[in-house]
Amino acid sequence: GAGVSQSPSNKVTEKGKDVELRCDPISGHTALYWYRQSLGQGLEFLIYFQGNSAPDKSGLPSDRFSAERTGGSVSTLTIQRTQQEDSAVYLCASSLSGATYEQYFGPGTRLTVT
Amino acid sequence: AQSVTQLGSHVSVSEGALVLLRCNYSSSVPPYLFWYVQYPNQGLQLLLKYTTGATLVKGINGFEAEFKKSETSFHLTKPSAHMSDAAEYFCAVSDGSNTGFQKLVFGTGTRLLVSP
Repeated sequence: GAGVSQSPSNKVTEKGKDVELRCDPISGHTALYWYRQSLGQGLEFLIYFQGNSAPDKSGLPSDRFSAERTGGSVSTLTIQRTQQEDSAVYLCASSLSGATYEQYFGPGTRLTVT
Repeated sequence: AQSVTQLGSHVSVSEGALVLLRCNYSSSVPPYLFWYVQYPNQGLQLLLKYTTGATLVKGINGFEAEFKKSETSFHLTKPSAHMSDAAEYFCAVSDGSNTGFQKLVFGTGTRLLVSP
């Protein structure tokens, strides 16, 4: 079946612009996670969704970052007023609900802020 | 707080040799432990996990890992390396007392290089 998909695969933006990154999870997966992978910080947790609510958004680095999930499916991560330090690969993962289930990762969106 | 240390940012082996990638964790609660592999320009793929039960866990592609609580370790091994094993490997930990969701804390990764 279809895996987790993310779009765009690559995004180049100018400093100060807003960007939206999209994640389509595996059908039926109620849990959805966003991570960031950067050279300086490695792989970091950003936010977790259960259905449409976000019980844990403790990893969002600043209030310029926000995320939403609609219909218990698609999620969008928005970065406002992008900065060069936001350049990274943004990974989305989905899973069945619960702490022991495998997270399935998408291929990521590579964001470059110039 | 939880953390993971992966010793060696790069490990080089010859094809057919033993693969050993080291992972030590720190956790004040019972840990769940994971190994993921990442091929270039791809997302992460789960190799294996330890949650409860048997401490020696077997995963895909011939990999296995052993949870050693006394050593706070979860090293990844494979008896015989293949060229196709060349990739980046990440060890991760999550809070095993939280049954609601799996908040992964990753190590910095180890790049495995396999030479013919």
